[in-house]
Amino acid sequence: QLVLTQPPSASASLGASVKLTCTLSSGHSSYAIAWHQQRPEQGPRKLMRVNSDGSHRKGDGIPDRFSGSSSGADRYLTISSLQSEDEGDYYCQTWGTGIRVFGGGTRLTVL
Amino acid sequence: EVQLVESGGSFVQPGGSLRLSCVASGFSFSSYEMNWVRQAPGKGLDWVSLITSGSTKYYADSVKGRFTISRDNGKNSLYLQMNSLRAEDTALYYCARDHDGGVFDIWGQGIMVTVSS
Repeated sequence: QLVLTQPPSASASLGASVKLTCTLSSGHSSYAIAWHQQRPEQGPRKLMRVNSDGSHRKGDGIPDRFSGSSSGADRYLTISSLQSEDEGDYYCQTWGTGIRVFGGGTRLTVL
Repeated sequence: EVQLVESGGSFVQPGGSLRLSCVASGFSFSSYEMNWVRQAPGKGLDWVSLITSGSTKYYADSVKGRFTISRDNGKNSLYLQMNSLRAEDTALYYCARDHDGGVFDIWGQGIMVTVSS
């Protein structure tokens, strides 16, 4: 079964960096994922696609502070030089034939 | 501008029906797979249904047999017919464009559906 697992919360200080993790279920470590940001009271916004080889492709207008990487079944989103506007929920998402799956989301608090 | 705009949300009693619409603009709608995603109050994102450019349809187990996705390429529109609604269907419903093999790259602003007696 295709499942994505995310820690429910993360925090980091203003100006620091944070690395969010999304883990693919057993047998699915070759899958690509996408990261989406949801700021408070807003709809989701695609940040980037991250492939199993660590390559990533960002959406239009996504700042250079956002980057993606991979290791085994783990997919990462790193945000550097944290700003207050980065606070919100971050979801990973993947897909197969006839199925789309979201992780449970990580709530990021900027201290 | 590439845009998705949902409509049709409302308050409905358990067992009732509702039809959501999503109008697309700024891109070749017929070429893309499209999805419905929902978010219950205070909860995470939950995929509901997918329709391919060839109109093949897929559903999450939680809505199979109750919800029907459809599209009208002439009207650049996506629909979700929701029958036998339950309290647990209460959520903000988003339409989302599918791109690059499965990435949701464009999202609507969402429309609220409340199921309550």
